Amino acid sequence: GAVVSQHPSWVICKSGTSVKIECRSLDFQATTMFWYRQFPKQSLMLMATSNEGSKATYEQGVEKDKFLINHASLTLSTLTVTSAHPEDSSFYICSAITGVSYNEQFFGPGTRLTVL
Amino acid sequence: AQSVTQLDSHVSVSEGTPVLLRCNYSSSYSPSLFWYVQHPNKGLQLLLKYTSAATLVKGINGFEAEFKKSETSFHLTKPSAHMSDAAEYFCVVSSGGYQKVTFGTGTKLQVIP
Repeated sequence: GAVVSQHPSWVICKSGTSVKIECRSLDFQATTMFWYRQFPKQSLMLMATSNEGSKATYEQGVEKDKFLINHASLTLSTLTVTSAHPEDSSFYICSAITGVSYNEQFFGPGTRLTVL
Repeated sequence: AQSVTQLDSHVSVSEGTPVLLRCNYSSSYSPSLFWYVQHPNKGLQLLLKYTSAATLVKGINGFEAEFKKSETSFHLTKPSAHMSDAAEYFCVVSSGGYQKVTFGTGTKLQVIP
């Protein structure tokens, strides 16, 4: 149980284009999902907290107009990187919380974004 | 407030020898603590978790960790390292019913054949 998937697992795009990453909870409903960013050889940095049916809460320093988050259902959150640039290249990981264990997050497998 | 410190950025052990990855935490409330492993270009896999039950927690792949409140530590151990254990390990803390977690900076484990 508590499986989280991400799609795509990797994506390459041209500078200036937008990329959408999906995060799905496969066997549970997730009222809250989180988006993280991980640079090479570094730890995960929380970008935003996504609550179903409401606007995402962004961490300080994260551009909300650059990283659009939509949590339209209890099983799906999307992260759209708008007008991507090479510095946006990173590993993006989502996680979700079940309604039972609020302290434990279940992580997706990650999406590798490369912007040329 | 909560924080976590992984004392070693890199640990190197020989195959078959014990593994010790150190983690200290700080929390204003009773914490939940987790260890995750991440293989290159992969997502996070939960090794084990402490959530105020038994202080000695056993996880997958022979790993275990002991919660020591007096030392504010949650070190990860394994009696005998295997080549497949080579990966990045993250200690994570969550507390006060606070949904956000805090990641340590990670420890890269190298296993020498």
